[in-house]
Amino acid sequence: EVQLVESGGAVVQPGGSLRLSCAASGFIFDDYTMHWVRQVPGKGLEWVSLTSWDGSSTYYGDSVKGRFTTSRDNNRNSLYLQLNNLRTEDTAVYYCVKEDREYGTGCAHWGQGTLVTVSS
Amino acid sequence: EIVLTQSPATLSVSPGERATLSCRASQGISSFLAWYQQKPGQAPKLLIYDASNRATGIPARFSGSGSGTDFTLTINSLEPEDFAVYYCQHRTNWPPGLTFGGGTKVEIK
Repeated sequence: EVQLVESGGAVVQPGGSLRLSCAASGFIFDDYTMHWVRQVPGKGLEWVSLTSWDGSSTYYGDSVKGRFTTSRDNNRNSLYLQLNNLRTEDTAVYYCVKEDREYGTGCAHWGQGTLVTVSS
Repeated sequence: EIVLTQSPATLSVSPGERATLSCRASQGISSFLAWYQQKPGQAPKLLIYDASNRATGIPARFSGSGSGTDFTLTINSLEPEDFAVYYCQHRTNWPPGLTFGGGTKVEIK
């Protein structure tokens, strides 16, 4: 069974930093591209970042480019998101998402999410 | 940049009725569209991929159609558990990433 478990969410002050982690199990982690997607409470879904299977290619949404960094450790079956220079508008639930080739453009596996609150 | 526009923002439907949700892409995306259902406090759940294919375990009352720029998610004979928010999504090739529509909330009439 595929499992994605995020951790690291916390309350942080504007300008602060945080590192989110996603522990993956139940599939061959280094076979898959992974994403981070966030959701402001009560609002829609926003794509944050993509990490290729080997971590050599990363891409970011415009709102986080230059502030967030995604990485992965395939030996630990883990995905990471480093959040720097946080703003109040970064407050959201952050989901770790597996890109499922078996489902074309769809993503069938999402973690439960971890809440990041940016507030003074 | 591809933009996905969902309509309506809110749809009021009685249990047992049909719900029809729309997703329009700002440019042609062939059949590369997915639909998700999200309930409060839960992660999104994949319903439909590649415009018309049901994901594993999704009931037959959910169906997707369309290609190019206009897509539809139809929910036949709404069950109480179907009242939720629905999102459409496209996987962009360049720059690589995911694009989501703004969502449609299906509420009980």
